[in-house]
Amino acid sequence: SAVISQKPSRDICQRGTSLTIQCQVDSQVTMMFWYRQQPGQSLTLIATANQGSEATYESGFVIDKFPISRPNLTFSTLTVSNMSPEDSSIYLCRGGGLSGYTFGSGTRLTVV
Amino acid sequence: GENVEQHPSTLSVQEGDSAVIKCTYSDSASNYFPWYKQELGKGPQLIIDIRSNVGEKKDQRIAVTLNKTAKHFSLHITETQPEDSAVYFCAASIGNQFYFGTGTSLTVIP
Repeated sequence: SAVISQKPSRDICQRGTSLTIQCQVDSQVTMMFWYRQQPGQSLTLIATANQGSEATYESGFVIDKFPISRPNLTFSTLTVSNMSPEDSSIYLCRGGGLSGYTFGSGTRLTVV
Repeated sequence: GENVEQHPSTLSVQEGDSAVIKCTYSDSASNYFPWYKQELGKGPQLIIDIRSNVGEKKDQRIAVTLNKTAKHFSLHITETQPEDSAVYFCAASIGNQFYFGTGTSLTVIP
């Protein structure tokens, strides 16, 4: 399976600002998924990103709040925009294809 | 859509005992069932998986069983060790889409 490097691992941000999270994969992956994991909760899918097309967002998540880029098959970013304390969470990317899927190590975001 | 339920939400066992975590799913089209271990401050790590054409799979102290008829699958950890303490998630997959359980916090008491 692919190995995914996710940055930053954690950040503390002021409300109203934006944070961009990056996932770099060591091999080409067909799909990239972005999740939010609130404290003590399971993983909630935010959106699915394919190269060259707009991401597909799940109910409750919108592109203006969580814009995603997928410029090639080894890289993707998720931006959390205009942050509020309710956005404090762990954000995870998951990538892969037929050979399997791997998670990034996560970004722990705290909004103050 | 698929609905995955996971039990128990918390589990404490004595070191050396076995731990069992159970998940049920609703969509018979699900054909891949991974289990993830998530340690504090880290992303989920795949520990074992099973496909729908297999009933049981074992890897050292970890085993997974699948009952397609009943739509449930279980994780078994034998001879538990303190380093097994973590949150465990099950998932059911249809194609590229993964549906996660709500997690089980396992504590192994030395």
